[in-house]
Amino acid sequence: QMQLQESGPGLVKPSQTLSLTCTVSGGSVSSDTYYWTWIRQPAGKGLEWIGRVYSGGTTKYNPSLESRVTISVDTSKNEFSLNLDSVTAADTGVYYCARDLRWGAPHFDPWGQGTLVTVSS
Amino acid sequence: DIQMTQSPPSLSAAVGDRVTITCRASQNIRSYLNWYQQKSGKAPKLLISTASTLQGEAPSRFSGSGSGTDFTLTISSLQPEDFGTYSCQQSYMTPFTFGPGTRVDMK
Repeated sequence: QMQLQESGPGLVKPSQTLSLTCTVSGGSVSSDTYYWTWIRQPAGKGLEWIGRVYSGGTTKYNPSLESRVTISVDTSKNEFSLNLDSVTAADTGVYYCARDLRWGAPHFDPWGQGTLVTVSS
Repeated sequence: DIQMTQSPPSLSAAVGDRVTITCRASQNIRSYLNWYQQKSGKAPKLLISTASTLQGEAPSRFSGSGSGTDFTLTISSLQPEDFGTYSCQQSYMTPFTFGPGTRVDMK
């Protein structure tokens, strides 16, 4: 059964870059069946789709974050990553990675356990 | 972006109760609607995809219905493990968007 696990710093200073990695086990990020997705959730608030990457490197981002976000995939390490530039306190929250179906009706399953990122000096 | 709303924002119910949560999209999303369950401090878990398709190990007491702009999640007989927050999500077009969630707690 596929599992996803986020990793990265839990504290990032304002104006710096938030960098997270999602390691995939029990399956391959090289599969052409799936997109690999990042989603975040500020404390006490709803979920926000950040964007996705396909094994070939094609990406799609939320326009609200597009100027600051980069999602990439490393098939040799079976992982994908998120970089979010110029962070502010508004970027504080739990960040999840998830698998998304590439064909048919998209849906997120499974999810990583999530990692809390706090933006503070 | 497609806006998703849910009602009620929260509800209190007892074990055995029938619970209904409504989700509305700001435009026609056909049946591209997913439901997730989230427990405190945990990641969301997919319950239902394409408005009515029960996923994985989700119990049969969960059901979904609707198409277009109006959707419903029903729990036929609430169990203790069902307390948490339920969120809808449209997968009709990017950026994919979620509803604000409906918190279900114990009466």
